Amino acid sequence: AQSVTQLGSHVSVSEGALVLLRCNYSSSVPPYLFWYVQYPNQGLQLLLKYTSAATLVKGINGFEAEFKKSETSFHLTKPSAHMSDAAEYFCAVSEGNTDKLIFGTGTRLQVFP
Amino acid sequence: DTEVTQTPKHLVMGMTNKKSLKCEQHMGHRAMYWYKQKAKKPPELMFVYSYEKLSINESVPSRFSPECPNSSLLNLHLHALQPEDSALYLCASTTQGVNTEAFFGQGTRLTVV
Repeated sequence: AQSVTQLGSHVSVSEGALVLLRCNYSSSVPPYLFWYVQYPNQGLQLLLKYTSAATLVKGINGFEAEFKKSETSFHLTKPSAHMSDAAEYFCAVSEGNTDKLIFGTGTRLQVFP
Repeated sequence: DTEVTQTPKHLVMGMTNKKSLKCEQHMGHRAMYWYKQKAKKPPELMFVYSYEKLSINESVPSRFSPECPNSSLLNLHLHALQPEDSALYLCASTTQGVNTEAFFGQGTRLTVV
């Protein structure tokens, strides 16, 4: 079965600093990987997705993620954090053709001025 | 229109009540999903409808009853809920299944008293 692990339930950065949110996956087949963001009392919004077309994926709001098969990782980065980036971030993997999206436990990003 | 609309936004119900949650999308998506999200936890899949047919039921208690009247609508009927069922209920839709982008509604915040 496929799964994702997010290291660090909380990450705090200063405004303007690099954001790095970690995600490792476990999959026996080439995975489809996603990063979603959830603001308080909101639904989830797709930031970016990996579908094997390119290992470096650019998403919305200046975020990007790099798929590294050798490390089974799909870490999310942003060069310069903004206050508005404070939210919960979920890494997810789709489970083959079963219509299941498996979420990681989430990382809460705090941005300090 | 790239929205998934959920109503109501908030719902308080007693343990003997019957209520329904509603989800609507007009993007022509063929798959629709119900997720349950407890505080500080990732979304948990409950049900999936594919082409208006129930394709996945994640062993959800029968007090939750999904319905897909047509390709744009998804309902979740609630009856005899327990306080532990209090959560954010999220609806999502995808065009070709979870390997494509999932659009989420803003959710219904349910409180069972």
